Amino acid sequence: QAVVTQEPSLTVSPGGTVTLTCGSSTGAVTSGHYPCWLQQKPGQAPRTLIYDTSKKHSWTPARFSGSLLGGRAALNLSGAQPEDEADYYCLLSYSGARVFGGGTMLTVL
Amino acid sequence: VQLVESGGGLVKPGGSLRLSCAASGFTFTNAWMNWVRQAPGKGLEWVGLVKSKADGGTTDYAAPVKGRFTISRDDSKNTLVLQMNSLKTEDTAVYYCTTGNLWGDQGTLVTVSS
Repeated sequence: QAVVTQEPSLTVSPGGTVTLTCGSSTGAVTSGHYPCWLQQKPGQAPRTLIYDTSKKHSWTPARFSGSLLGGRAALNLSGAQPEDEADYYCLLSYSGARVFGGGTMLTVL
Repeated sequence: VQLVESGGGLVKPGGSLRLSCAASGFTFTNAWMNWVRQAPGKGLEWVGLVKSKADGGTTDYAAPVKGRFTISRDDSKNTLVLQMNSLKTEDTAVYYCTTGNLWGDQGTLVTVSS
């Protein structure tokens, strides 16, 4: 089974910009992995912010964007807000299986 | 649009449990449905999925649950089911159903303990 890797933790200043990334043990992440990014706050269920690399839901704040960067999937947060402090998970698809990354704990400080 | 999980509880190792997920507000028939779990204090773990009937209705499972868990769907009732057999202590987690884009609000807690 593939292993999906993320930064364990990152810190961003309020109003600042940060990029979270997601790599695959099988090689470069491509659009064929249909990368998703999920946000989870303490005590809450996850919610999907980004799907299919860069598509947003109606509930996704405009300050979040997704892309592919240097063989990894990337979640960019521009203009961080205190409410963005949360765990962020990457999800990749491998044919039938899906694999989550270990998550990135994002601190806004 | 809503997904509501139910059926969790306390079960002894080796036991069985059946979880359900009631879907509403979207075309359940067309959706590929997943189960995802989260052990206490840990990250998200994909459990498995069932494709829509139009796409074959087949299932895929994560290695740790393959052969023990079975996912099924009842499109007439907009319901997703996870049958869990031969439960282990490491199956203790909150279980969520999800389309990938839509998630249940609370999940259902499964505790496997003697």
